[in-house]
Amino acid sequence: AQSVTQLGSHVSVSEGALVLLRCNYSSSVPPYLFWYVQYPNQGLQLLLKYTTGATLVKGINGFEAEFKKSETSFHLTKPSAHMSDAAEYFCAVNLGGFKTIFGAGTRLFVKA
Amino acid sequence: KAGVTQTPRYLIKTRGQQVTLSCSPISGHRSVSWYQQTPGQGLQFLFEYFSETQRNKGNFPGRFSGRQFSNSRSEMNVSTLELGDSALYLCASSLGLAGGSYEQYFGPGTRLTVT
Repeated sequence: AQSVTQLGSHVSVSEGALVLLRCNYSSSVPPYLFWYVQYPNQGLQLLLKYTTGATLVKGINGFEAEFKKSETSFHLTKPSAHMSDAAEYFCAVNLGGFKTIFGAGTRLFVKA
Repeated sequence: KAGVTQTPRYLIKTRGQQVTLSCSPISGHRSVSWYQQTPGQGLQFLFEYFSETQRNKGNFPGRFSGRQFSNSRSEMNVSTLELGDSALYLCASSLGLAGGSYEQYFGPGTRLTVT
């Protein structure tokens, strides 16, 4: 069965520091992978997606993620954190069907 | 294009009552999925509709039901409300076609409080 694991329910970084949010998935077929962001009292917004092709994917707001098949990972990074990045981030996987599985989420705190 | 809209945004109900939530997808999207989000359980998949047919269903009791209309708008209904049904209910739309990228676009959610 497919599953998504996000390591760390809370991550805290200083403004200007590297952001690294970890996501591992389990899948027996090539997955479609997504990162979504949720700001308080809002729905989820798509940050970036991996379908096929280039394994390094660039998204909005300076975020990027790298698909590593051998490690079954899809970690999200941003070189320099901004205060506005404080939010909850969700990794999600779809196996080419019509059901997307979401991870438990990682809340990012950015310290001034 | 207009985004996904959900009505109402906030709702307070009493135990035992029933509630209907509405979702209008992005124009051209034929798939609508519903999720329940709570602090303890995270995002839980409720069901997904495509062209008025339920294609997938999560592990929720029969009190939770939904439907989709010919214009792709969707409603979900919760009967005999329980305190544990208090949650943010999110609707997401997508093209829903096989071979697509399966990304979803979410509405702002309906915050349901059951007292």
